[in-house]
Amino acid sequence: NAGVTQTPKFRILKIGQSMTLQCTQDMNHNYMYWYRQDPGMGLKLIYYSVGAGITDKGEVPNGYNVSRSTTEDFPLRLELAAPSQTSVYFCATGREGSGNTIYFGEGSWLTVV
Amino acid sequence: GQSLEQPSEVTAVEGAIVQINCTYQTSGFYGLSWYQQHDGGAPTFLSYNALDGLEETGRFSSFLSRSDSYGYLLLQELQMKDSASYFCAVRRSGGYQKVTFGIGTKLQVIP
Repeated sequence: NAGVTQTPKFRILKIGQSMTLQCTQDMNHNYMYWYRQDPGMGLKLIYYSVGAGITDKGEVPNGYNVSRSTTEDFPLRLELAAPSQTSVYFCATGREGSGNTIYFGEGSWLTVV
Repeated sequence: GQSLEQPSEVTAVEGAIVQINCTYQTSGFYGLSWYQQHDGGAPTFLSYNALDGLEETGRFSSFLSRSDSYGYLLLQELQMKDSASYFCAVRRSGGYQKVTFGIGTKLQVIP
């Protein structure tokens, strides 16, 4: 049981480039999230999804896009990368009835130069 | 909107007890939970309170007062490995589960 798997773990992007952070889960959870965490800061919600085909914006969605075509996958797309998007990105999952229990992936460290 | 407040840093001695407070403002409050994150790692779930009162899990306990919009995490018999950041998080009630995290409290355990 892999849980929540994110790729890549580390990436350096040049300003203006685009990329996709991949996230897949094998826990059959309906809820999936993308958070970003800047150094020494808390977690800010970028986008979330309550099931396949349904996504919604979180606190800081600008510059990002998501899709949820299957229960398992929730990729995060960065268009026209900017230095302000340098951060650690965490994909996470949860399920109804589990209270606030959220399961996080190991994180993706992204640097935009 | 939602907001959570918790201290940015706390220092405590190994073997002692430490309490990390969290106050929140949100509409449609559903529950408060706590997560631990070691440097360079991912947050991991510690505890959850949906009702008023104390929840105990080993050395960790969490308390919630819904009327005061306040909760705390209590760590007993502190160990060096407890040095980490601790986040409170609120979930709103309603159709969609959206969880908001506080900024985190960095706990340093000293010998």
